[in-house]
Amino acid sequence: DGGITQSPKYLFRKEGQNVTLSCEQNLNHDAMYWYRQDPGQGLRLIYYSQIVNDFQKGDIAEGYSVSREKKESFPLTVTSAQKNPTAFYLCASKGPGSRYTDTQYFGPGTRLTVL
Amino acid sequence: DAKTTQPPSMDCAEGRAANLPCNHSTISGNEYVYWYRQIHSQGPQYIIHGLKNNETNEMASLIITEDRKSSTLILPHATLRDTAVYYCIALNYNQGGKLIFGQGTELSVKP
Repeated sequence: DGGITQSPKYLFRKEGQNVTLSCEQNLNHDAMYWYRQDPGQGLRLIYYSQIVNDFQKGDIAEGYSVSREKKESFPLTVTSAQKNPTAFYLCASKGPGSRYTDTQYFGPGTRLTVL
Repeated sequence: DAKTTQPPSMDCAEGRAANLPCNHSTISGNEYVYWYRQIHSQGPQYIIHGLKNNETNEMASLIITEDRKSSTLILPHATLRDTAVYYCIALNYNQGGKLIFGQGTELSVKP
């Protein structure tokens, strides 16, 4: 089946540890995105990548890092510098098409809890 | 960035049409209106999008006013599985297509 997968669904880490969240897509999409969602809030953009080996900071990039070595994969590392990392993390991808009509499709999300 | 405003919550009876309003008075001419929904603890699901004309697909209809300052998402026959938070978004392509999510409308479909 084509789609976006995120693993794991739930993740627990101790404070001060770096942790990497996985995002894979087999939709042949060029652009990929990472969002963060806090309880009762909308999504906020962390990082995005429009092509392989290129990515840009979103609104809340501090304390996070990404890589885009392959088209299918866009892992997000939550570093110890992120002051409040406990949140629901969502990955999305977007395919080629008209600049104004592309649609982002989301993965199921990873819920990270830092103890 | 065009900001959108939506009512925080709405109720709808099962089998009836659910009409979800959205105001986007500062939307620019090349910004599309997108609708997503999010069921608790899941990733957002794309519903529909439009620019000027009304749009319909298998999930919903989107009615955009002529001045583009507001729109309405219509779920023609709401079911209990349509209970979710619905987000109205103006797509910003100045930052690579960033979706600006607001608070959304929490729709409760009741039997």
